[in-house]
This record gives sequence, C-alpha cells and structure tokens, in this order.
Amino acid sequence: AQTVTQSQPEMSVQEAETVTLSCTYDTSENNYYLFWYKQPPSRQMILVIRQEAYKQQNATENRFSVNFQKAAKSFSLKISDSQLGDTAMYFCAFMKLNTDKLIFGTGTRLQVFP
Amino acid sequence: DSGVTQTPKHLITATGQRVTLRCSPRSGDLSVYWYQQSLDQGLQFLIQYYNGEERAKGNILERFSAQQFPDLHSELNLSSLELGDSALYFCASSARDGPYEQYFGPGTRLTVT
Repeated sequence: AQTVTQSQPEMSVQEAETVTLSCTYDTSENNYYLFWYKQPPSRQMILVIRQEAYKQQNATENRFSVNFQKAAKSFSLKISDSQLGDTAMYFCAFMKLNTDKLIFGTGTRLQVFP
Repeated sequence: DSGVTQTPKHLITATGQRVTLRCSPRSGDLSVYWYQQSLDQGLQFLIQYYNGEERAKGNILERFSAQQFPDLHSELNLSSLELGDSALYFCASSARDGPYEQYFGPGTRLTVT
C-alpha cells in the first residue's frame, strides 16, 4: 500500500521569505502522480501543483515549485516570496496510475508572519 | 471558488440518525469523489462515481452509501451515526476518469452529538 509522510507538523516563515515543505512517499509503482493541496482556515481544499512521475522536469506554478526526487521518493514544495495568504495547512497527496483516489499525508501547518 | 457545490455547510444530528450530504460537480465533470477529514483519521478517500457508476471504493463503512444521479450530482448517505462519524466531508470532481486534478467543494461539517 502507498503511504505519504509529511514529517513537519508545523512551520513558520516571514513574509517575502522562502520556505520548503517536505513530503516523502512509499510506493512500488513506477507511474503515478503527486499533488500539493492547500487548506486555508476556510477549510477549502485548493490544488496548488501537480507532478507526473514520468516527467523529470519539476513542476512550477508562479511562486510555487516542487523538487521531485523519484529515486529518493521525495516531493518537496517550495514557496517563494511568501505571502500572508499562504498561511494554511498543506497536504501532499499521491495518486497511482489507473486509480483515482488521492492518498494524503497528515499535513504541514504553515504560518506566514509579517 | 472551485465550481463544486456542497449542501448543507453544517449539519448537527444525534447518534443513531441518518443524514444525506449532497454534491454538485463542476459543469461537465463526470467523476465525483467523496473524502472524509477527521482529526484522528486525517483525509481519507471514501468512494468514487464516474458517470453514474461506482468506480472505486476506499475506507467507506457499510453504514455509508453513495450514488450519482443522471444529472451527475451525488449524494452521500450516512446512517446509524456514531460520535466518531463527526468530520468534514468533502466532495471533489474531475473532468474525466483517470489521474486528473480533483477540485474540491467547500465541505459539509457533520457533528454527531
């Protein structure tokens, strides 16, 4: 069975700084997808970024980028120029090819302070 | 706004009761997913429907059931409720069957007293 581990329960960063959230996963699959979701205090789950395992190039969405290390089964999220609105829980999620269910990690609570 | 709607936003009920949660997917999306978020279990996949057919099941209790109607909206039925069923229930939808982005609704907060 696949598992997703987020080893940082809480992190904090000053506005405009850069922060990296860690995620590791365990799978015997070769083809899969990885996601980062953000859950602000409103509780809405918002897709931040997606990475296909077959792509070597790291995904980037504006201030958000990932460092995908397939051999190490690591998928970290880097947030550049942090903003107060980035304060949220961040969940890493895994999806095996040919299935649709997301397997989530336990989340990292990020606090951005002025 | 993801385009996925869920009703009601909040629901308070007693143990032993039955409730129905409703979800309308984004326009054109055929797949609907249900997830449960609780303090002790985290975020867990419950069940998926694709164009009216059950496609995948996760850690869904026998007391829970779901369906997707011809207009593609979905309902999650929870019966014989227990205190431990208190959680945030999310519906998500995606455009097609397969590993595509899932867009989440705002969730229904269920409190069982």
